[in-house]
Amino acid sequence: GENVEQHPSTLSVQEGDSAVIKCTYSDSASNYFPWYKQELGKGPQLIIDIRSNVGEKKDQRIAVTLNKTAKHFSLHITETQPEDSAVYFCAATSNRDDKIIFGKGTRLHILP
Amino acid sequence: NAGVTQTPKFQVLKTGQSMTLQCAQDMNHEYMSWYRQDPGMGLRLIHYSVGAGITDQGEVPNGYNVSRSTTEDFPLRLLSAAPSQTSVYFCASSYSLTANTEAFFGQGTRLTVV
Repeated sequence: GENVEQHPSTLSVQEGDSAVIKCTYSDSASNYFPWYKQELGKGPQLIIDIRSNVGEKKDQRIAVTLNKTAKHFSLHITETQPEDSAVYFCAATSNRDDKIIFGKGTRLHILP
Repeated sequence: NAGVTQTPKFQVLKTGQSMTLQCAQDMNHEYMSWYRQDPGMGLRLIHYSVGAGITDQGEVPNGYNVSRSTTEDFPLRLLSAAPSQTSVYFCASSYSLTANTEAFFGQGTRLTVV
């Protein structure tokens, strides 16, 4: 089955700097790669996603890149703000087995 | 529009007790799933359903049962609670998994088994 590795587990960046979180996946049939943000005491919420026919997608300060050959994808947050402090999860899913498999999460701290 | 509603928000059980975690969605979503979240382990899939009457196992199904009699509801049953089932449980739904769409999560149930 699919296995998703996520790094780092914890990341601290100065406010205004950029943050990058990286994930790798194992199943070449995976074709959808969402990123979720989880704030304290809440359920995860989708912030951006990318499909396997696209190499990069951007939404304001957030961007995701996908390298299908290397089986890795990354989340980029620019000009970080205090409200970006949260836990971020990457995930991968395919049409083959109807399962969404998540990485273990990255706790992002934005330092004042 | 309530989205995905989970009840209860908090629960303490004694070892060996049984209980049902409730999950309901009002978005007419076909796909529903249950995850558990443990420190350092991320979100692990317990069971999922691609439509009423259809359920399947995820990564960590042992000790849990599910059923899907309606599109709206997807309860998770703990048959005989164990301390290892202490966790935060999340229910999620999406329009169609095979179309690879956004999953909407509930607020979670924090379960402690003593």
